[in-house]
This record gives sequence, structure tokens and C-alpha cells, in this order.
Amino acid sequence: KNQVEQSPQSLIILEGKNCTLQCNYTVSPFSNLRWYKQDTGRGPVSLTIMTFSENTKSNGRYTATLDADTKQSSLHITASQLSDSASYICVVSDRGSTLGRLYFGRGTQLTVWP
Amino acid sequence: EADIYQTPRYLVIGTGKKITLECSQTMGHDKMYWYQQDPGMELHLIHYSYGVNSTEKGDLSSESTVSRIRTEHFPLTLESARPSHTSQYLCASLPGDSSYEQYFGPGTRLTVT
Repeated sequence: KNQVEQSPQSLIILEGKNCTLQCNYTVSPFSNLRWYKQDTGRGPVSLTIMTFSENTKSNGRYTATLDADTKQSSLHITASQLSDSASYICVVSDRGSTLGRLYFGRGTQLTVWP
Repeated sequence: EADIYQTPRYLVIGTGKKITLECSQTMGHDKMYWYQQDPGMELHLIHYSYGVNSTEKGDLSSESTVSRIRTEHFPLTLESARPSHTSQYLCASLPGDSSYEQYFGPGTRLTVT
């Protein structure tokens, strides 16, 4: 069964601190992995996308890593800001899916305190 | 920012009413999707469309129906709303196959009393 598991479920950090969110998946065959940021009451917005051959990708203060052998990914946030408070969702796509089938994790709810 | 729109953003309605959630995109994408998301839970695919006159049910069973008469428009209808339909509904579109990014609308928060 294709699944995406994220940890921790929720996280509270102080402004300016770094944090790392984890994602494990069992989706096969693997096509790509995305990290989305979802503000409360809004739709998800893409942060990074990585294919099988990529093991790291950055977008400003966000750096995602991918280990396709162990089927693990992480999202590292540097120098957190209050605006980083949101749910971060790991999404995995299976290869060759004309549907564009995506498998969603439940997200990590990040709260940044001043 | 993606050009995909949903209306209304918030809707509170009584049991038994018929409702239509609107979704439109101006990017010319053929593939469009409806997801249902409860608080703290993952998104579940309830409907999708490959193009005009194409609609399919997704992974999660839903009493809603959809139509795709125009490329840019993918409305979702509930004939008789129930409290169990209370949820957030997200519309998305995709320009190609699964290697592309799926663009999401802002969502409609539906509450059925």
C-alpha cells in the first residue's frame, strides 16, 4: 500500500531557530517528492520538488533532502520566522502516472513563537 | 502565484440544501482535481478530470458530483448537504503528467448545520 508518513505531527520552535521535518514513504514506483506549505484555511503551495536522481534542493531558507534508497526525505528550515507557522506536507508521486496521482502525508504543524 | 480560483471561500448552510462549489483556472490545464481535507488530516482525492467531458471518482467515496463542460471550469455539487459533508474542499489543476507541479486553489471551507 502506498503511504506517506510524516514526523513529528506538530512542532513548536522559537523565532530564529532551525528545525527539520521528516517524511518516510512507501510509494512505488517513485516519480518525485514534493514539500508543500499550507497556511491555515489556504491551499498548499509548493516549496520544492525532487526526482529520483536529486538528493538535495533549496528554496531560500528551505532545504529538502531525499534518500531514494531508504525512502526518506527531510525539510530543513533555517532561521525560522513567524510567517513559517503553517502545516508542511510531504507529497509523493508514482512514476508514469498519467493521472498525476499524488500521495499525501498528514503534515507537520509548525508553530514559530516570538 | 497560480491562477486557480475557488468560490465561495466559506459557506455555512443547513442540512438538505443543494450547493455548488466553484473552481476555475486560467492556465489551460487539462487535468483538474477535487480533494477533501479534514483538520489535521491528509488530502483525499474525491474527483478528477482529464479534460472536457471527462470525470472520474477518486480514492475517497463522496456523495458529491462534478462536471467538466469547459476546460477552465470544474464545479462540485452536493444535491443534499449533510453535517458529514462539513470539511475543506480543495481544487487543483495539473499541466501535464505526474512530473509536473499540481497547483491548488485556496479552498472552500464548508460547514453544514
